[in-house]
Amino acid sequence: GAVVSQHPSRVICKSGTSVKIECRSLDFQATTMFWYRQFPKKSLMLMATSNEGSKATYEQGVEKDKFLINHASLTLSTLTVTSAHPEDSSFYICSARDPLGQETQYFGPGTRLLVL
Amino acid sequence: SQQGEEDPQALSIQEGENATMNCSYKTSINNLQWYRQNSGRGLVHLILIRSNEREKHSGRLRVTLDTSKKSSSLLITASRAADTASYFCATAAYSGYSTLTFGKGTMLLVSP
Repeated sequence: GAVVSQHPSRVICKSGTSVKIECRSLDFQATTMFWYRQFPKKSLMLMATSNEGSKATYEQGVEKDKFLINHASLTLSTLTVTSAHPEDSSFYICSARDPLGQETQYFGPGTRLLVL
Repeated sequence: SQQGEEDPQALSIQEGENATMNCSYKTSINNLQWYRQNSGRGLVHLILIRSNEREKHSGRLRVTLDTSKKSSSLLITASRAADTASYFCATAAYSGYSTLTFGKGTMLLVSP
């Protein structure tokens, strides 16, 4: 099956700094990727849909200036958490559409962000 | 708003037993998918069932869908300790390029 990677897997940063998380499709091209946020023992909350070569589509309530998304190539989408605060601490997961079927998604392993 | 609601929130069974998880949703769907998540990891797609299907099998997995009740169930037969994970249902409103809306998940613990 298709493989999606994320980097870093874990990051600790100070309040006020920015953190960039990368999501890569390793063996296929992904014109659309998704970014989710997951709180402990909770469901995944869709933050935004990342489209290659165009602006991301953000879900209601997600600050686009806070969570910058760039999808500059067919295999890479990045999420930058700007001016991070402790409440931004969470598990961030990206996914890409199944290149064959489009209806299912392949998920990355997630990035654990802790803001001190 | 939360589309899928899994039930139970947590389930603890012994190896060899069957595990049944339920999912209810509120709006019309094109398909419903089940995913598995090991602790602290990403999700793995298990099975997709379309709105015009009632039952689907994949190995030890059996999924049912009742669109009149807006509910689905996932049955794992002859469970193994390696099945320990969280299981999420996700609904897609339409075919093709629909986003997924995830439920809260059922945490399954299978003891040896």
